[in-house]
Amino acid sequence: EVQLVESGGGLMQPGGSLRLSCVASGFTLSNYNMNWVRQAPGKGLEWVSYISSSSTTIYYADSVKGRFTISRDNARNSLYLQMNSLRAEDTAVYYCARRYCNSATCSYYYWGMDVWGQGTTVTVSS
Amino acid sequence: SALTQPASVSGSPGQSITISCIGTSSDVGGYNYVSWYQQYPGKAPKLMIFDVSNRPSGVSDRFSGSKSGNTASLTISGLQAEDEADYYCSSYTSSTTLYVFGTGTKVTVL
Repeated sequence: EVQLVESGGGLMQPGGSLRLSCVASGFTLSNYNMNWVRQAPGKGLEWVSYISSSSTTIYYADSVKGRFTISRDNARNSLYLQMNSLRAEDTAVYYCARRYCNSATCSYYYWGMDVWGQGTTVTVSS
Repeated sequence: SALTQPASVSGSPGQSITISCIGTSSDVGGYNYVSWYQQYPGKAPKLMIFDVSNRPSGVSDRFSGSKSGNTASLTISGLQAEDEADYYCSSYTSSTTLYVFGTGTKVTVL
């Protein structure tokens, strides 16, 4: 079964740091571009960060640029999000999501995220 | 900045409804890179439409996508009770940030 499982969420004080992990199973993570997307309580989806399959291309939302770092370890089938200088407004469920592509080897990418994890909750509060 | 969607849309079973997603020439209007997601409360989003008008395998053909100018649309035909959920559009953006989501639309089946 194709699956993404996030972990690492929790309660943190403002200014603190947290590292989220996302482990892939049922497919080869190294073939896929990946994203982190978050959703604050009662709010809409907000894209956070993107990393290409070989980590050569990385993007961040303006709201997290300079504070969050996306990375991956393809040998461990894992995606990460290092979150520093946490703020109350970072409180959200964080999802990892796979970019949709045409085959298991991803010779062509579509615009969409076809596999999502169940999410991990990050709460920033004093 | 986020794409603009209506906060809510409702319809009776069997009817068709359309959700709009308004952007700019820097995102929706400039590229054929729009996707739509369905989300039930407490659940992860599900991809319903990619590349403006294409359905992934397994998604009902009652869902269709289109685009005109800076506005993308998701149409749900033959509305069913199970379609009651939140829907989000997403687009590529030529800004430095790559992705932008819509504000979200709650669909209610009357």
